[in-house]
Amino acid sequence: AQSVTQLDSQVPVFEEAPVELRCNYSSSVSVYLFWYVQYPNQGLQLLLKYLSGSTLVESINGFEAEFNKSQTSFHLRKPSVHISDTAEYFCAVSDGVGRGSTLGRLYFGRGTQLTVWP
Amino acid sequence: DTEVTQTPKHLVMGMTNKKSLKCEQHMGHRAMYWYKQKAKKPPELMFVYSYEKLSINESVPSRFSPECPNSSLLNLHLHALQPEDSALYLCASSQGRLAGAPGETQYFGPGTRLLVL
Repeated sequence: AQSVTQLDSQVPVFEEAPVELRCNYSSSVSVYLFWYVQYPNQGLQLLLKYLSGSTLVESINGFEAEFNKSQTSFHLRKPSVHISDTAEYFCAVSDGVGRGSTLGRLYFGRGTQLTVWP
Repeated sequence: DTEVTQTPKHLVMGMTNKKSLKCEQHMGHRAMYWYKQKAKKPPELMFVYSYEKLSINESVPSRFSPECPNSSLLNLHLHALQPEDSALYLCASSQGRLAGAPGETQYFGPGTRLLVL
C-alpha cells in the first residue's frame, strides 16, 4: 500500500505571499499523484493531477505542482495567494487500477490547512 | 459535466432511526465510492462499487449498508448508528477502467453532514 506524508498540518501566510505545501509519498513502480482542495463545509475538489508526461502540472487558479521522482515528492506551490485560497489541501496517491482489490484506490495525506491572512 | 450530487446535505438522526444517503452521477462512471470524513482528518474509504458490484468493504460495521441499484446511483443505508458515526459522508466516482490503466481521477460530491444524537 502507498503512504503519503504531508508534514505541515497548518500553513499560515499573508495575502500575496508565495506558499509551498509539501507532499512526499512512498516509492512504487509507478504512481499517480493528486492534490484536492476542500473549502469549509464542502466536498473535495480536484486541484491538479500528475499521471504522466511533463513533471510540472498547473491548475487554472494559479497553483502548480512538480513531480520529483528522485525525491518522491509532489509539492504544491503558488507564487501569490489570495484570501479565497484559505482551505484544507489534501495530497493523494494512486498506484493504478484493476490490481485486485486496490482498484486505483486513493491514499490520502492527513491534509494541510492553508490560512491566508489579509 | 463532472458533477456528483448527494442528498440530503444535512441529516440529524437518532440512534434507533433508519435513514439513507443518496449519491448520483451522470458521467458514465462505473466505479463509485463511499468515504467517511471526520473533522480535520482525511477521508477514510468505506466501500467501493465496480460495475455495480461491491468490490471493497473496508471492514465497515454492518449498521452501514451500501447499495448500488444502477450505474448512476449509490445509496448508503443507515440503521442503529452511534454518536461516533457523526461525520461528513462523501461519495465519489471514477471511470472504472480495466486493469493496467493509469490512476483514475475520483470526482467527489459535496457530502452529507450527518449528526447522530
